[in-house]
Amino acid sequence: AQSVAQPEDQVNVAEGNPLTVKCTYSVSGNPYLFWYVQYPNRGLQFLLKYITGDNLVKGSYGFEAEFNKSQTSFHLKKPSALVSDSALYFCAVRDGTNAGKSTFGDGTTLTVKP
Amino acid sequence: DSGVTQTPKHLITATGQRVTLRCSPRSGDLSVYWYQQSLDQGLQFLIQYYNGEERAKGNILERFSAQQFPDLHSELNLSSLELGDSALYFCASSPGTAPYEQYFGPGTRLTVT
Repeated sequence: AQSVAQPEDQVNVAEGNPLTVKCTYSVSGNPYLFWYVQYPNRGLQFLLKYITGDNLVKGSYGFEAEFNKSQTSFHLKKPSALVSDSALYFCAVRDGTNAGKSTFGDGTTLTVKP
Repeated sequence: DSGVTQTPKHLITATGQRVTLRCSPRSGDLSVYWYQQSLDQGLQFLIQYYNGEERAKGNILERFSAQQFPDLHSELNLSSLELGDSALYFCASSPGTAPYEQYFGPGTRLTVT
């Protein structure tokens, strides 16, 4: 069975500081990893994904994520946080043997303070 | 705007009733996914359809069923509703079955009283 853990319910950072939202996963086979963001009363929006290749993935709105196979992690990062980045962030995993079924983490609420 | 539409936006109904949620995928997308988001369960994958056929199944209750029609829109049917079924139901779509990113609709908020 595949699983995703987002160990922090909440992350608080000051505007302009770097941010990290953590994600670890468990899956059989090669992992396909995704980050999504959800603003209040909205659906999830895709940020970035790792399928194969370079371990550092760049996505929308200046976000990036680093895939670490040995630590089974896929942490989301941004060099300089904006107040508008405040939202709920979800990490998700799929494997190639169970195509279609995505497992989402419980989400991390990011609050960026001015 | 993701291009995925869901109707209705809000639905209030009583226990024991049956409701149908509708989803239209992005133009050209063949896969449709349904998710349930609640405070205590988080975001749960329910079911996926690809070009009219069921492709993957998650934690979908037997009281729930779905289908995808020839025009690729999808419906999620929830029957014998219980208070615990109150949640946000999201539909998402992607071009196919490969590990594409999913595009989510705005959701239907179901309240069972």
